[in-house]
Amino acid sequence: DAGVIQSPRHEVTEMGQEVTLRCKPISGHDYLFWYRQTMMRGLELLIYFNNNVPIDDSGMPEDRFSAKMPNASFSTLKIQPSEPRDSAVYFCASRAGGGYSGELFFGEGSRLTVL
Amino acid sequence: AQSVTQLGSHVSVSEGALVLLRCNYSSSVPPYLFWYVQYPNQGLQLLLKYTSAATLVKGINGFEAEFKKSETSFHLTKPSAHMSDAAEYFCAVSTTSGTYKYIFGTGTRLKVLA
Repeated sequence: DAGVIQSPRHEVTEMGQEVTLRCKPISGHDYLFWYRQTMMRGLELLIYFNNNVPIDDSGMPEDRFSAKMPNASFSTLKIQPSEPRDSAVYFCASRAGGGYSGELFFGEGSRLTVL
Repeated sequence: AQSVTQLGSHVSVSEGALVLLRCNYSSSVPPYLFWYVQYPNQGLQLLLKYTSAATLVKGINGFEAEFKKSETSFHLTKPSAHMSDAAEYFCAVSTTSGTYKYIFGTGTRLKVLA
C-alpha cells in the first residue's frame, strides 16, 4: 500500500491567500484525522472524520479553517485567509475502525509557511 | 480527561548506552497507550502500543515499554542506543469516551552521541 499521501509537501504563501492541503488516506481506512504540529503547541488534533462525516472539529482554531471529505479517498483542509501564525506542519492520518487501540498511520506532512 | 506528560524535551545518550524516555499518563479508566517516533521531515510511525494484554510491550527497532499502573507510567526503553535512533518520540493516549481521539505528549528529542 502507498500509505497516507499528502500534498503539497511544502507551501509558501503570503498572508491573506487561500491555502488548500490535500490528503489521500489508506484504502479501507474509515477514520481520517488532521493534526497541526508547531514548536510551541506540539501536535494538535484539528478535526477527524468517520466514514467521510466530520465527528469532532473542536480543535479547528477558527472559522478561517475548514475541512471536507467528499469521499473515502480524499480530504482537504482549507485556510482562508491565511495568517503568519498558521505556519506549521499539517499532518493527515488514517486508521481502520474498531476499538480504541487502532494504530494511526501518518502522512509525511505539509509544511506551510505564511509570510 | 485523559492526558500524557513526557518528562524531558531533550535527552542525550551515548551510542551503546541505555535509552530511557519517560511518559506518565492520566486516566480514570484503563488507558490505551502508544509510543510513536518521528524522523526528520517525516510523519509519525508507531513503535509500540499497550492494550492491556501484557504490561511489557515490545516494539520495533528493539524498543520496549512497561505499563505500570501504580506509577501511572509507560516509559520507553532500549538497552543499547544506535545512531539511527536519533529522532523525536511521542507518547500518546487514546481517549475512550466514545470519541476516537489520540492525545499526544509534547515529545522528547533523542540525541545519540558517537
